[in-house]
Amino acid sequence: SAVISQKPSRDICQRGTSLTIQCQVDSQVTMMFWYRQQPGQSLTLIATANQGSEATYESGFVIDKFPISRPNLTFSTLTVSNMSPEDSSIYLCSAPVQGNYGYTFGSGTRLTVV
Amino acid sequence: DAKTTQPNSMESNEEEPVHLPCNHSTISGTDYIHWYRQLPSQGPEYVIHGLTSNVNNRMASLAIAEDRKSSTLILHRATLRDAAVYYCTFHNQAGTALIFGKGTTLSVSS
Repeated sequence: SAVISQKPSRDICQRGTSLTIQCQVDSQVTMMFWYRQQPGQSLTLIATANQGSEATYESGFVIDKFPISRPNLTFSTLTVSNMSPEDSSIYLCSAPVQGNYGYTFGSGTRLTVV
Repeated sequence: DAKTTQPNSMESNEEEPVHLPCNHSTISGTDYIHWYRQLPSQGPEYVIHGLTSNVNNRMASLAIAEDRKSSTLILHRATLRDAAVYYCTFHNQAGTALIFGKGTTLSVSS
């Protein structure tokens, strides 16, 4: 099955700065997905990233705050911009597994904003 | 809005079977039912999925109600390593995003 490498695994950032999270998939995938998981909560979908087009954002999430890049079929980045303590969460990427209806997930980026 | 309903928590003893229920009353005829689990400090892990028939794999079994409005994930012999949050979800097209409900936190005691 597909494997996603996500980095960084964790970071502590100053408010007002930005952090870019990277996900590398070991096979080509059309769609990639970005989620946020606040402490003790379930996963919330941020956006869907298609290669070669703008990401599609869910209600409550905007491109200026969470810009996404998808330069090729194996890679995507999510930037958390102008961070505040409320952005402290785990951020995860995901992609469908080829030939299967399952999905694989990165191990997550634990972000703390101070 | 979450489209699935699961108990917040369940408890089990080691070596005993565990039945984790999920209600998904808004499911359509072409939606696949998925189960994932999330161990502490890890991303979700695929467990099993199915459409209409019951499914078995090395991790678990999935029992799907005849009307498909509910399903049950069955762990035949729980181990301490099965302690996790279990999520059921569904979607109707490969490649679209999974939407997660609140999940069930499973505790396993020795």
